[in-house]
Amino acid sequence: GENVEQHPSTLSVQEGDSAVIKCTYSDSASNYFPWYKQELGKGPQLIIDIRSNVGEKKDQRIAVTLNKTAKHFSLHITETQPEDSAVYFCAASIRGRTGGGNKLTFGTGTQLKVEL
Amino acid sequence: NAGVTQTPKFQVLKTGQSMTLQCAQDMNHNSMYWYRQDPGMGLRLIYYSASEGTTDKGEVPNGYNVSRLNKREFSLRLESAAPSQTSVYFCASSELHGANVLTFGAGSRLTVL
Repeated sequence: GENVEQHPSTLSVQEGDSAVIKCTYSDSASNYFPWYKQELGKGPQLIIDIRSNVGEKKDQRIAVTLNKTAKHFSLHITETQPEDSAVYFCAASIRGRTGGGNKLTFGTGTQLKVEL
Repeated sequence: NAGVTQTPKFQVLKTGQSMTLQCAQDMNHNSMYWYRQDPGMGLRLIYYSASEGTTDKGEVPNGYNVSRLNKREFSLRLESAAPSQTSVYFCASSELHGANVLTFGAGSRLTVL
């Protein structure tokens, strides 16, 4: 099955700096890569996703890049703010496959702390 | 619009006791999921229901059972709780099983002594 590795496990940045979280996946058939943000005491919430036919996607201060050849994808947050402090999860799946083959496999999470 | 509602939010059990975690969604989603979250291990899928009337095992189903009561509700049952089941449990739903955009509940923290 799919295996997703995520690094680093903790990341501390100064407010205004950029933060980068990296993930690798094992199944070359995976074609959908979402990122979820989990604030303290809450459930994860989708913040951005990318499909394998796209190399980069941006949404304001957040961007995700995908390298299919190397099987890795990254989350980039620019101009970090205190409200960006949270746990971030990457995930991978095979979108469009029926049955059990399209379940999301999550990374182990990154605790991001934005310091004032 | 409540989204995904889980009950209870906190529960303490003794080894061997049973309990059921309840989950309900009001978004008319077809698919529902139960995950557990443990430190350093991310989110692991326990069971899922691709549509009303069907349930399937996920990555870590041992020690759990589920019931898709109707389109809105999906419960997770621990028949004989073990300390290894101490975790935070999340229910999630999605419009379609292949859509993969999950809406999560706020979580249920379970401690088994």
